[in-house]
Amino acid sequence: QQQVKQSPQSLIVQKGGISIINCAYENTAFDYFPWYQQFPGKGPALLIAIRPDVSEKKEGRFTISFNKSAKQFSLHIMDSQPGDSATYFCAASMRDFGNEKLTFGTGTRLTIIP
Amino acid sequence: NAGVTQTPKFRILKIGQSMTLQCAQDMNHNYMYWYRQDPGMGLKLIYYSVGAGITDKGEVPNGYNVSRSTTEDFPLRLELAAPSQTSVYFCASSYSWGKGNTEAFFGQGTRLTVV
Repeated sequence: QQQVKQSPQSLIVQKGGISIINCAYENTAFDYFPWYQQFPGKGPALLIAIRPDVSEKKEGRFTISFNKSAKQFSLHIMDSQPGDSATYFCAASMRDFGNEKLTFGTGTRLTIIP
Repeated sequence: NAGVTQTPKFRILKIGQSMTLQCAQDMNHNYMYWYRQDPGMGLKLIYYSVGAGITDKGEVPNGYNVSRSTTEDFPLRLELAAPSQTSVYFCASSYSWGKGNTEAFFGQGTRLTVV
């Protein structure tokens, strides 16, 4: 049972363009939605996160859009740069002690070309 | 501040051998996790722990065992290694909601090959 579905599996974007990665979740008890960034040979690292009381969160060139009714959230990378080339994972967790473990999507390999 | 430290970084095992993947964190996090990462499959949770002495199964626990005798350490034991356990293993740690920032910090990973 995949509780967090992520698409696309891979994405190629030209430098300066907008990269968009989408995720959908099933469990309405989820109330924390982070995005993790992973470079080759490294562990994932938190990029940006949102809670469902807001519809958008922006940090620099990275924005999360959240649609609670559709149970979807997405990551937008504006002015994409070659240094953004990495694998991106969406995730979800719930505020319930003992059940706070992160459930990850399958990942999107993003490549930014010059 | 070392964060989450995993050892070894690489290991080749023969079918049927056993080994322990070590994980230690120095952030006093109560949650610790073990994930495996297979190509195109994302991160699958093997086991997790909400504190010393408490562990629970994740999505893919078969063939693995864990223990959590201290807050800092969370070793993962593979008994009777099988080719299906060839993967990259990540340990992570975080606080729970009531204790602060819930960001999960990951180790550098252990690349395991079973032949």
